[in-house]
Amino acid sequence: GAGVSQTPSNKVTEKGKYVELRCDPISGHTALYWYRQSLGQGPEFLIYFQGTGAADDSGLPNDRFFAVRPEGSVSTLKIQRTERGDSAVYLCASSLRDGYGYTFGSGTRLTVV
Amino acid sequence: GESVGLHLPTLSVQEGDNSIINCAYSNSASDYFIWYKQESGKGPQFIIDIRSNMDKRQGQRVTVLLNKTVKHLSLQIAATQPGDSAVYFCAETVMNRDDKIIFGKGTRLHILP
Repeated sequence: GAGVSQTPSNKVTEKGKYVELRCDPISGHTALYWYRQSLGQGPEFLIYFQGTGAADDSGLPNDRFFAVRPEGSVSTLKIQRTERGDSAVYLCASSLRDGYGYTFGSGTRLTVV
Repeated sequence: GESVGLHLPTLSVQEGDNSIINCAYSNSASDYFIWYKQESGKGPQFIIDIRSNMDKRQGQRVTVLLNKTVKHLSLQIAATQPGDSAVYFCAETVMNRDDKIIFGKGTRLHILP
């Protein structure tokens, strides 16, 4: 597609529920990144995929967070047993293999009530 | 650890004046730096980048300056316009190491009429 697409744009869920956030990267971009942005803060790195494999998941805060990219294109960020502290905007970015052309989606605003 | 910080959380500038946004980085190994603009409800948008083998790069109305000696980065916006109102982030990474981009907290640019 023309840009990075993230769905849903907004998600409200109850504490303890499971959520999935989807990212469609730019066609041909092999690298895909997930970030989390809290209000008034810069994006915080969560996980990076090169192709289908997670090359760096050092930013995932705990084992409630998991992400997959089974076919090397679309990625899903999964959060189990959501907590109010998980409320944030979750951003996805994709780039060419060498890191150039980094492009962000508009994000999914997750609110845990 | 790796971090990128900004000196001023908010900058107010008269329309038509030039804006200068500053940034300090701490990772000496970083060799690629990017400035992003983020408007409300949107993901970060690429403005301009610079590699560590350069100390200045110009774009359309924007200039990035890099001082590796003091690990300082700045973004200059010429003839600031209302549409420049946004939060600006500097970010750093190490190219060709499949590394993530590290963001600072951002500076909000407010344009005065």
